[in-house]
Amino acid sequence: AQSVAQPEDQVNVAEGNPLTVKCTYSVSGNPYLFWYVQYPNRGLQFLLKYITGDNLVKGSYGFEAEFNKSQTSFHLKKPSALVSDSALYFCAVRANTGGFKTIFGAGTRLFVKA
Amino acid sequence: SQTIHQWPATLVQPVGSPLSLECTVEGTSNPNLYWYRQAAGRGLQLLFYSVGIGQISSEVPQNLSASRPQDRQFILSSKKLLLSDSGFYLCAWSLGQGGYGYTFGSGTRLTVV
Repeated sequence: AQSVAQPEDQVNVAEGNPLTVKCTYSVSGNPYLFWYVQYPNRGLQFLLKYITGDNLVKGSYGFEAEFNKSQTSFHLKKPSALVSDSALYFCAVRANTGGFKTIFGAGTRLFVKA
Repeated sequence: SQTIHQWPATLVQPVGSPLSLECTVEGTSNPNLYWYRQAAGRGLQLLFYSVGIGQISSEVPQNLSASRPQDRQFILSSKKLLLSDSGFYLCAWSLGQGGYGYTFGSGTRLTVV
């Protein structure tokens, strides 16, 4: 069965420090992987996606994500966090076979302290 | 460019009243359309999706229904709201099977009192 897990409910990081938001997935075949960000009372905004190619994907607002096939992970990273990065982050996976449904993780809340 | 409009932004409705939330997409044709509900600012629950006019798939049995009367219009309805229908409702669209990701509307905060 297709699934995605975000093991941390919350991540706290100081401004200027690197940040990582973790995501692991389970899907048949090659996955399509996504990260979205949600600010309070807003819809989700697309950050980046991995379909194929380079394992390090660069996205919006200085974020990047690393695809690791052996560990079935797709962690979101940023070299230097900003207070304005504080938001709710969602990982999502879409199978490349079968029903082609996109499954969203439960979300990880990121707090960046000044 | 493609845009998605969702309204209203906030809604307070009494228990037992009807509901109609509307979502429209501009700048694309034959999008896949989705309604999600987000409870308590966390995970997303897929309620309905549509791959074409009049084609609606329901993911979760509930007090809600959806319709797609036009290619780029998606409506979420209820005949009688329950307290448990309160939440943040999000409309989204994708090209085809969603391989390029989803674009979400700005959401509707529904409070049933």
